[in-house]
Amino acid sequence: TQLLEQSPQFLSIQEGENLTVYCNSSSVFSSLQWYRQEPGEGPVLLVTVVTGGEVKKLKRLTFQFGDARKDSSLHITAAQPGDTGLYLCAGPIRNAGGTSYGKLTFGQGTILTVHP
Amino acid sequence: NAGVMQNPRHLVRRRGQEARLRCSPMKGHSHVYWYRQLPEEGLKFMVYLQKENIIDESGMPKERFSAEFPKEGPSILRIQQVVRGDSAAYFCASSPRTSAGQYFGPGTRLTVT
Repeated sequence: TQLLEQSPQFLSIQEGENLTVYCNSSSVFSSLQWYRQEPGEGPVLLVTVVTGGEVKKLKRLTFQFGDARKDSSLHITAAQPGDTGLYLCAGPIRNAGGTSYGKLTFGQGTILTVHP
Repeated sequence: NAGVMQNPRHLVRRRGQEARLRCSPMKGHSHVYWYRQLPEEGLKFMVYLQKENIIDESGMPKERFSAEFPKEGPSILRIQQVVRGDSAAYFCASSPRTSAGQYFGPGTRLTVT
C-alpha cells in the first residue's frame, strides 16, 4: 500500500516566519503533487514534481522532491495570513497489476494558520 | 477557460433517497476522477472514468454507488438509498492525461438526515 504521511499535522505561526511541511513515504512515487485547500472549497493544485531531487519555486513557496522519490517538502518563506489553509501532498498509486491511471493517494494534510 | 464545475454545491437527502452529483470537467480534459472526503479523514479515491468508460472503480463501494461519464454531458456520481455514513464532501477532478496534475472542482457537500 502506497501511503503518504505529512508532518506536522498542525502549524500555527506568526506573519513573517518561515515554515516547512514534510511529506514522506516508504514507497517510490513517479511524481508528487501539492495542493492547498480552503474551507468549503476544492483542493487547488500548486505544483507537480517529477524528477528526483527536483526543486520548484512558486513565489515564496519552494517545493522539493527527494532524490529517491519517496518524500517531498514544501517550504514557505515569510509566511502571510493569506497562506492560511490546508496543505495536501498527493501521489499516483498503482493497482496490484501495476497500472496507475493517475488515481491519487493523499496525505492527511497540514493545517497552517498564519497570524497577523 | 472555465474550471471544473460541480453541482449542486450542497445537497440534503433523507435516508433512503437517491443523490445525483454532477461534474463537468475542464475543457479539453477527458480524464475524470471522483474522490470523497469524510469528516476528519483525508481525500479518498473512488472512481476514474473516461468518456463512456469506467476505467477504475476500485475505490467505490460495491453497493449503492455508481458512476458514469456519457458521450454528451457531465459525469454523474449516483448514490442510491443514502445512509448517514454517506454524508461527506464529494470532489470531482479532471486531467488532460493520467500523468498530469489534477484540477479539482469545488465539491458537493452531501448531508443525509
